[in-house]
Amino acid sequence: EVQLVESGGGLVQPGRSLKLSCAASGFTFSNYYMAWVRQAPTKGLEWVASITNSGGSTYYRDSVKGRFTISRDNAKSTLYLQMDSLRSEDTATYYCTRDPTFDYWGQGVMVTVSS
Amino acid sequence: VLVTQTPSSLPVSLGDQASISCKSSKSLVHNNGITYLAWFLQKPGQLPQSLIHTVSNRFSGVPDRFSGSGSVSDFTLKISRVEPEDLGVYYCLQYVHYPYTFGAGTKLELK
Repeated sequence: EVQLVESGGGLVQPGRSLKLSCAASGFTFSNYYMAWVRQAPTKGLEWVASITNSGGSTYYRDSVKGRFTISRDNAKSTLYLQMDSLRSEDTATYYCTRDPTFDYWGQGVMVTVSS
Repeated sequence: VLVTQTPSSLPVSLGDQASISCKSSKSLVHNNGITYLAWFLQKPGQLPQSLIHTVSNRFSGVPDRFSGSGSVSDFTLKISRVEPEDLGVYYCLQYVHYPYTFGAGTKLELK
């Protein structure tokens, strides 16, 4: 059974950092591109970043470029999102999912950026 | 790529047919000939569930009352007979060009 389990969320002050993790199981992690998608409270879905299966290429939405870094450890079947210089508008539930299938989603992890 | 999803709200009665439109500002046809447009449903308080990928292919377990159609930059999701478990917010997603973009969502609700 495919499982994606996010962790690392919480309350953080503006300008600070946070690192999210997504532990994958039930499939060959190293065969899949992966992605982070977020959803601000009462808002729609927003793609954040993707990474190729080898980790050799990464892609970001403009609003997080230079602040967020997506990475992976295929030996640990784990996806990461390093979030630096956080802003209030980054407040959201963050989901990890497989790219480009988007067939399985983690349960989500809440990130709140507030002073 | 801009993705315009309409309507934003769709009041229906159970048993009705429902139709949601998704239009993109660019062609969603990849160089490999495949069109990368997907549909998702998010029920209140739940994570998104995948309905359809590559325009018209249902994910495993998705009832056949859900159908996707369209081409190039104009797409439609149809629900043939709305059931209570179909209520929620529907999103389309273009995933041919980075940055991927979701539609703004269509709330399917009871009249």
